[in-house]
Amino acid sequence: GQQLNQSPQSMFIQEGEDVSMNCTSSSIFNTWLWYKQDPGEGPVLLIALYKAGELTSNGRLTAQFGITRKDSFLNISASIPSDVGIYFCAGQLLNQGGKLIFGQGTELSVKP
Amino acid sequence: DSGVTQTPKHLITATGQRVTLRCSPRSGDLSVYWYQQSLDQGLQFLIQYYNGEERAKGNILERFSAQQFPDLHSELNLSSLELGDSALYFCASSPRGRGSYNEQFFGPGTRLTVL
Repeated sequence: GQQLNQSPQSMFIQEGEDVSMNCTSSSIFNTWLWYKQDPGEGPVLLIALYKAGELTSNGRLTAQFGITRKDSFLNISASIPSDVGIYFCAGQLLNQGGKLIFGQGTELSVKP
Repeated sequence: DSGVTQTPKHLITATGQRVTLRCSPRSGDLSVYWYQQSLDQGLQFLIQYYNGEERAKGNILERFSAQQFPDLHSELNLSSLELGDSALYFCASSPRGRGSYNEQFFGPGTRLTVL
């Protein structure tokens, strides 16, 4: 079946550093979404991307929809302790309703 | 707060039992999705309903079923429970059935523990 490969699996960074994570697939997606999940909570939508090449920002977060439609990245600038959590990419394929396929997640730890 | 509500928050039951999880979508959203999150499988899509009709199906077990009611709330029924069904179950909702600009917002989840 379709899979999303998300990397890195985990990151340990110092407060103030920039972070980058990405997702790749062999399938073509028409939508890319980035979520953040805190322990025991539901995923919270951070950024939604709908067009190849699209670059979208949400505060310190920036995400891009890859030109090939098979990848996406998320950057976090000037990280702060509350950025700690697990970040997931999710892709939506054409003609499969609203079904989302999720990456395995990137666990971010920020040292003050 | 995403506007999606799920009950109960926690559920502990025994193998072989049946449980029902409930979800109320955001006001105005017509689609409801169910996802299962386990440590080994990650977040997996189970099923989608749009305005009362099944729209898409994932790797949902035959022991599991769902429905969406006229008021758009949804229930996920899990029967003949096994230890491996222990997981977080999330409901999400979106305005439409498919296509762009149809972001999914997740509820807080139900943690199911099967003993």
